[in-house]
Amino acid sequence: GQQLNQSPQSMFIQEGEDVSMNCTSSSIFNTWLWYKQEPGEGPVLLIALYKAGELTSNGRLTAQFGITRKDSFLNISASIPSDVGIYFCAGQLPSNTGKLIFGQGTTLQVKP
Amino acid sequence: DSGVTQTPKHLITATGQRVTLRCSPRSGDLSVYWYQQSLDQGLQFLIQYYNGEERAKGNILERFSAQQFPDLHSELNLSSLELGDSALYFCASSGGGRSSGNTIYFGEGSWLTVV
Repeated sequence: GQQLNQSPQSMFIQEGEDVSMNCTSSSIFNTWLWYKQEPGEGPVLLIALYKAGELTSNGRLTAQFGITRKDSFLNISASIPSDVGIYFCAGQLPSNTGKLIFGQGTTLQVKP
Repeated sequence: DSGVTQTPKHLITATGQRVTLRCSPRSGDLSVYWYQQSLDQGLQFLIQYYNGEERAKGNILERFSAQQFPDLHSELNLSSLELGDSALYFCASSGGGRSSGNTIYFGEGSWLTVV
């Protein structure tokens, strides 16, 4: 089946540092979504990308939809302790279902 | 608050039993998705309904079934439960069935523990 390879698996950084994570796939996606999940909560949508090459920001977060439609990255600038959580990329295939394929997640820990 | 409501939030049940998880989608959303999240498998797509009809099926066991009712709420039925079924079950919703511009919002999940 389709798979998304997300990296890195985990990151432990100092407060104030920038963070970058990415997802790649052998399949083409129509939409890329980035979610953050905190313990005991559901995934919360951070950024949605709908066009190849699209670069979108949401506060300190920036994400891009790769030109090949097979990859996406998420950057977090000037990290703060509340950025801690698991970040998931998710892609929607060119079909009419809308179901999401998820990456394995990147666990982010921020040291104050 | 995503607008997607799931009940119950926590459930503990014995092996062999049957449980029903309930989901109310965001107001106006026609699509409902069910996902299973376990420690070793990540977020796995189970099934999607669109306006009452099954639209897509993922890695859903035969012991599991779902339906979407005319008022668009959905239920996920898990039967003959096994220890390995212990997981977080998420419901998500979106406005339509097409992939283009289809933003999906998740509920807070139902935590199922099978003992």
